[in-house]
Amino acid sequence: GENVEQHPSTLSVQEGDSAVIKCTYSDSASNYFPWYKQELGKRPQLIIDIRSNVGEKKDQRIAVTLNKTAKHFSLHITETQPEDSAVYFCAASIGNQFYFGTGTSLTVIP
Amino acid sequence: SAVISQKPSRDICQRGTSLTIQCQVDSQVTMMFWYRQQPGQSLTLIATANQGSEATYESGFVIDKFPISRPNLTFSTLTVSNLSPEDSSIYLCSVAAGGGGDTQYFGPGTRLTVL
Repeated sequence: GENVEQHPSTLSVQEGDSAVIKCTYSDSASNYFPWYKQELGKRPQLIIDIRSNVGEKKDQRIAVTLNKTAKHFSLHITETQPEDSAVYFCAASIGNQFYFGTGTSLTVIP
Repeated sequence: SAVISQKPSRDICQRGTSLTIQCQVDSQVTMMFWYRQQPGQSLTLIATANQGSEATYESGFVIDKFPISRPNLTFSTLTVSNLSPEDSSIYLCSVAAGGGGDTQYFGPGTRLTVL
């Protein structure tokens, strides 16, 4: 089955700096790659996603890139703010089957 | 996106008992999913629940321990049976929605503590 690896497991950045989280996947059949943000005690919230026919997608301060050849995708957060502090999960999807990464705990230091 | 609610939000149960968790969606959805999230961990899929058919369980999860009902297109229940402390976790339902029908949206979760 699909295997998704996510790095780093923890990340601390100064407010205003950029944060990058990287994921790799193993199954070339994966065609949909969502990113979720989970604040403490809350549900995972979809923040951005990308499909396999697109190389990059941006939404305000958040962007995701996908390299199908290398089987990796990344989340980029620019101009980080304290409210960006949370755990971020990547996922790779084959059909409706989601395979989640292990999560990255992001701390933005004011 | 769909609006998803779960009941109860949290519960404390005794070893050997069972807990049934309800998941309600504000629109009709074909596919619903049940996940487990242990403290500080990622999301692990327990099973996929389609209306009108038996749930499909992932490796390591069995129907006797995690029976699921899906009586209609807006509702599902997950029962965690014969509870042990190892079942202490957060249980989340999700639904497949969105334009492509493959985006998953999560309920608020049920925090279960087994004593």
